[in-house]
Amino acid sequence: KNQVEQSPQSLIILEGKNCTLQCNYTVSPFSNLRWYKQDTGRGPVSLTIMTFSENTKSNGRYTATLDADTKQSSLHITASQLSDSASYICVVTLYNQGGKLIFGQGTELSVKP
Amino acid sequence: SAVISQKPSRDICQRGTSLTIQCQVDSQVTMMFWYRQQPGQSLTLIATANQGSEATYESGFVIDKFPISRPNLTFSTLTVSNMSPEDSSIYLCSASTGRDSPLHFGNGTRLTVT
Repeated sequence: KNQVEQSPQSLIILEGKNCTLQCNYTVSPFSNLRWYKQDTGRGPVSLTIMTFSENTKSNGRYTATLDADTKQSSLHITASQLSDSASYICVVTLYNQGGKLIFGQGTELSVKP
Repeated sequence: SAVISQKPSRDICQRGTSLTIQCQVDSQVTMMFWYRQQPGQSLTLIATANQGSEATYESGFVIDKFPISRPNLTFSTLTVSNMSPEDSSIYLCSASTGRDSPLHFGNGTRLTVT
C-alpha cells in the first residue's frame, strides 16, 4: 500500500534553533517527493520538489534530503523563526496512476520566542 | 508561480442546501484538482477537474454529490450538494502545469454545515 508517514507528529522549538522533520514512504515507483508548508487557515505552499535522482534541494533556510534506497526524506530548518510555525507536509507523486499525490499527515511545528 | 483565488473563504450552510466554490487561477494551467482537508488531517483528493470534459473522481466521491465544472484552463467550480454536517471541512483548489511541477493551492473554503 502506498503510504507516507511523517515524524514527529508535532514539535516545539525555540526561535533560532535548528530542527529536522522526517518522512518515510512506501510509494513505489515514485516520480518526485515534495515538501509543503501550510500556515493555519491557508493553503499549502511548495517548499521543495525532488526527483528520485536528487539527494538534496534547498530553498533558503529549508533543506530537503532524499534517500531513495531507504525511502526516507528529511526537511531541515536552519535558524528557525517565529514565522516557521506551521504544518509541514511530505508528499510523494506516483510515477503511474496519472501522477497521483500521496500526502503525509504533516508535522506541526511551533517556534517559541 | 500561479496564484489561485478561491471563494468564498468560509461559509456556514444549512443541512440540505448546496454551496458552489469558485477557483480562479491567474494563468493557464494543465491540471486542476479539488481536495478536502479535515482539521488536523491530511489532504484527500476529491477529483481532478478536466477541461472540457467530466471530472475524474476518487473512490468515495461521486458526481451527484460533488459536481465539478471546468469551462477553461483558468477556472473551476466545486459544488457540495445536499449538505450534511459530515460535509463540514476545508475544501482546497489546486493547480499545476505538469506532474513534476509545483502544485499550487488556494487558501481553501472553510465550510460548516449546521
